[in-house]
Amino acid sequence: GENVEQHPSTLSVQEGDSAVIKCTYSDSASNYFPWYKQELGKGPQLIIDIRSNVGEKKDQRIAVTLNKTAKHFSLHITETQPEDSAVYFCAARPDRGSTLGRLYFGRGTQLTVWP
Amino acid sequence: DGGITQSPKYLFRKEGQNVTLSCEQNLNHDAMYWYRQDPGQGLRLIYYSQIVNDFQKGDIAEGYSVSREKKESFPLTVTSAQKNPTAFYLCASRRGANQPQHFGDGTRLSIL
Repeated sequence: GENVEQHPSTLSVQEGDSAVIKCTYSDSASNYFPWYKQELGKGPQLIIDIRSNVGEKKDQRIAVTLNKTAKHFSLHITETQPEDSAVYFCAARPDRGSTLGRLYFGRGTQLTVWP
Repeated sequence: DGGITQSPKYLFRKEGQNVTLSCEQNLNHDAMYWYRQDPGQGLRLIYYSQIVNDFQKGDIAEGYSVSREKKESFPLTVTSAQKNPTAFYLCASRRGANQPQHFGDGTRLSIL
């Protein structure tokens, strides 16, 4: 099955700096890559996603890039703020048979933004 | 408001007991999922269901059971066979095959 690796596991940045989280995946059938933000005691919330026919997508201070050849995708957060502090998860979804719709998650990155 | 409701937020179980976690959605979503979250391990899939009266095992189904008798409900039972049930349990749903998954706010299960 699909295997998603996520790095780093923890990331500390100063307010106003940029943060980058990277993920790799193994299954070439994966064609959808969402990113989730999870605050303490809550469920993950979708913050941005990208499909395999697009190389980059941006939404205000967050952006995601995808390199299908190298099988990696990244989350970029610019002008970080303390409220960006949370755990971030990447995921991949293979377009394959009976697992259609199933997501495979990375292990998460704890982002801390210091004021 | 439309959403995914998990209850209770906190649950305590005595050893040897079965407990059932509730997940209800009023989004008219077809597929529903149960994940287990442990520190540093990300989200691991327990069971999922793409339509009513049908469900598939995920990666860590042993010691768990589910049912999908109604589209809006997907309860998870943690049986006494699950030797390490203490974890944060998340339910998710999505509308169609090409749609994103959305999550509830979880149930934290602890052993007394």
